[in-house]
Amino acid sequence: NAGVTQTPKFQVLKTGQSMTLQCAQDMNHNSMYWYRQDPGMGLRLIYYSASEGTTDKGEVPNGYNVSRLNKREFSLRLESAAPSQTSVYFCASRDVLSYNSPLHFGNGTRLTVT
Amino acid sequence: QKEVEQNSGPLSVPEGAIASLNCTYSDRGSQSFFWYRQYSGKSPELIMFIYSNGDKEDGRFTAQLNKASQYVSLLIRDSQPSDSATYLCAVNGDSNYQLIWGAGTKLIIKP
Repeated sequence: NAGVTQTPKFQVLKTGQSMTLQCAQDMNHNSMYWYRQDPGMGLRLIYYSASEGTTDKGEVPNGYNVSRLNKREFSLRLESAAPSQTSVYFCASRDVLSYNSPLHFGNGTRLTVT
Repeated sequence: QKEVEQNSGPLSVPEGAIASLNCTYSDRGSQSFFWYRQYSGKSPELIMFIYSNGDKEDGRFTAQLNKASQYVSLLIRDSQPSDSATYLCAVNGDSNYQLIWGAGTKLIIKP
């Protein structure tokens, strides 16, 4: 049982380059999330998908796009990377049918934009 | 703007003592509260959740919720060096789809 799998684990981009972060979960969760984590700022929600076929903006969506490919997969795309997007990115999933259900996190992607 | 506040620390506690971590939240309507532990360079992992006023115990961990005062605490008894980590508090937002996160408290257990 892999849980939430993110790829890649590390990435270095130059300003203006694009890339897609991949995320897949095998827990049959309806909801999936993308967070970024910067020192001293905690987790900030970029986008989420409440269920297959829907996506919504979170707290910091500018510069990002997402695709909920199917129930298992939720990708995050940076169209034109900027140094301000240097961060650690976490994908997570949750069974929101239970209000006290926790988020399950992937191992994270450490992205550096030069 | 709904907020969750935590003291960033670091909080230094001797091995074997009780570590007390606190979290306050702004939304009186919040119902579910979560404590996550995050080791350096790792992803957050759930330790406890609580949704009723009072205490909830799980091994060495006790979560305490006081909705009237809008705070939730995490107590770690018999602290071990392996408890050294950042502890994140999260609270349900307007819907079940979103959690509001505190910035975390860094805990250091000194041998």
